[in-house]
Amino acid sequence: NAGVTQTPKFQVLKTGQSMTLQCAQDMNHNSMYWYRQDPGMGLRLIYYSASEGTTDKGEVPNGYNVSRLNKREFSLRLESAAPSQTSVYFCASSEETGPPGEQYFGPGTRLTVT
Amino acid sequence: DAKTTQPPSMDCAEGRAANLPCNHSTISGNEYVYWYRQIHSQGPQYIIHGLKNNETNEMASLIITEDRKSSTLILPHATLRDTAVYYCIVRFAGSSASKIIFGSGTRLSIRP
Repeated sequence: NAGVTQTPKFQVLKTGQSMTLQCAQDMNHNSMYWYRQDPGMGLRLIYYSASEGTTDKGEVPNGYNVSRLNKREFSLRLESAAPSQTSVYFCASSEETGPPGEQYFGPGTRLTVT
Repeated sequence: DAKTTQPPSMDCAEGRAANLPCNHSTISGNEYVYWYRQIHSQGPQYIIHGLKNNETNEMASLIITEDRKSSTLILPHATLRDTAVYYCIVRFAGSSASKIIFGSGTRLSIRP
């Protein structure tokens, strides 16, 4: 039981390049989330998916797209990377039946855009 | 979701109880109080949550005031490994996937 896994762990991009961050969970959770964390700051929600086939914007969705590929996988795409997107990206999942469940976080992807 | 206010930093001696306060004066009746922590640059870790009653688990205790406008997370015997940023979050209970809004948290330092 690996929990939440993210790939890659580190990535360096040049301005204008595109990339997809991958996230997978093996806990059979319905809900999945993408956050970003800038140095010295708290986490900010980018997008979330309440269930397979649905996605919703969070606090800071501009410049990103997401795909809930199936129940296990939730990917985050940067179409044209900008230096302002340099951050650590965390994926999370939770089981939301009844009261809100606890979120389980992955180890993060450290992205630098030059 | 209601907003929370936490002190930016605190410290505590190893072996003593660490008491982390949180104000959530605009909390509504169907919102839960959650606590997470983030050690160094790892992903956040769930600690505990509650609605009205005090709660305790193997990691911590959560004390919620009767009017629910504030709460305190208690780590009963702090160790150096408890050094982390602690986030207090208020979250609506009703939707199928209510988003979590993290604030800036409290940076807790445990001194030997």
